Amino acid sequence: DAGVIQSPRHEVTEMGQEVTLRCKPISGHDYLFWYRQTMMRGLELLIYFNNNVPIDDSGMPEDRFSAKMPNASFSTLKIQPSEPRDSAVYFCASSLEWRNEQFFGPGTRLTVL
Amino acid sequence: DAKTTQPPSMDCAEGRAANLPCNHSTISGNEYVYWYRQIHSQGPQYIIHGLKNNETNEMASLIITEDRKSSTLILPHATLRDTAVYYCIVRPNTGNQFYFGTGTSLTVIP
Repeated sequence: DAGVIQSPRHEVTEMGQEVTLRCKPISGHDYLFWYRQTMMRGLELLIYFNNNVPIDDSGMPEDRFSAKMPNASFSTLKIQPSEPRDSAVYFCASSLEWRNEQFFGPGTRLTVL
Repeated sequence: DAKTTQPPSMDCAEGRAANLPCNHSTISGNEYVYWYRQIHSQGPQYIIHGLKNNETNEMASLIITEDRKSSTLILPHATLRDTAVYYCIVRPNTGNQFYFGTGTSLTVIP
């Protein structure tokens, strides 16, 4: 298995633009997690899905952020409109069950100018 | 609220054992202790986890005190590639948050 795949690896955009981050979890994993990492706040859990259903989105910072998982092999995190303070590294992770280890993707480094 | 306390940084000589402490004095009975590490710019990597018994795998050993208020991650023979930020995480068996905290930055010195 190729592991968790994220795209793009780097994204530079201007304030106000829509940004879509993509994630392909490991096949067979029932849980998918979206994290954001910044120097100020460290690694934060934004939202997680179980069997494609969003379970806890309490970490999503604002209504500008939305996440979907249309099927077991694909998830998106969308920011609309983007702001400079959204600049961060966004990680996607998946796990077989809640208590199992999470496998992280390489991350998407987002810069909003 | 990370529920764990770790020293911000540590050094370890190459080839020696690295012992990374973690305090989790408010841990509940159903909460596990997990350890992850993050090598520069990469995604976090799982190391080990446990509930109350000591655990060992090919990467490390986890020692949890009898009262479960603290634990120690042991890398038996540290190498330069073990230089990373190590996160100790307390996590319930079901549901809810998974806080990474600020971690310990371990530097392995040649």
